[in-house]
Amino acid sequence: KAGVTQTPRYLIKTRGQQVTLSCSPISGHRSVSWYQQTPGQGLQFLFEYFSETQRNKGNFPGRFSGRQFSNSRSEMNVSTLELGDSALYLCASSLAAGEGYEQYFGPGTRLTVT
Amino acid sequence: DAKTTQPNSMESNEEEPVHLPCNHSTISGTDYIHWYRQLPSQGPEYVIHGLTSNVNNRMASLAIAEDRKSSTLILHRATLRDAAVYYCILRDEETSYDKVIFGPGTSLSVIP
Repeated sequence: KAGVTQTPRYLIKTRGQQVTLSCSPISGHRSVSWYQQTPGQGLQFLFEYFSETQRNKGNFPGRFSGRQFSNSRSEMNVSTLELGDSALYLCASSLAAGEGYEQYFGPGTRLTVT
Repeated sequence: DAKTTQPNSMESNEEEPVHLPCNHSTISGTDYIHWYRQLPSQGPEYVIHGLTSNVNNRMASLAIAEDRKSSTLILHRATLRDAAVYYCILRDEETSYDKVIFGPGTSLSVIP
C-alpha cells in the first residue's frame, strides 16, 4: 500500500508570495492533519480534516488555510509569506479522526522563504 | 494539557538493547501513550502505543509503569537504522491531534 505522498518536496518562495502544498493520504484514510516543523518550535499542529470538514485548527494566523477534497486528498495554502514561514510542512493521515488511530506521516515539503 | 519529559539525547551500541524513558506525571486516565520516531530528513513514523498494559510489536516494546506516570520504549537490538529522534506523546482517544504536544524528543545515536 502506498504511503502518504506530499508535493512538492522542496519549494523556494519570496516574501509576500503565496504557496499551495498538496498531500495524498494512504488509500482508505479519511483524516488528514498538517504540521509545521521548525528547529526552534519543533512539531506544531496546524489543522485536521475529516470528510472534507476542518475538525480542528492550531494556533496559527489566518494566512494559513487548508481544505480536503472528496477523495481525502488535502491542500494547505499560505498567503503573504513571511521569512518565519520557512519550515518543513508535514502531512499525516489516519483511518479516522479522534478514534485513537495512529498517524502516518509523509516525507514533508521543505519550504524556504527568501 | 498533559505533557511528557524525555532526556534530550541517548547513546547505544549497535545490537544492544535500548531503553528510552518518558515521564508523564500528569497523565489522565483516558490518555494513551504513543511513541513516534523521526529519522533524518523524513517525517515522523509511528512506533507503538498503549494504555495500561505492556505492548509489543515488530518494532519495539512499550513498558508502562503501574501508576502510568512513566513509560519506557524498548528497542531490543539497536541497529544503525534506529538512530532517530524519538517522541513520546499523550493522546486522549476522544480528542484529535490538536491537543497533542510533540516535545523535543530524545535524539538516539547508535554506535557501530
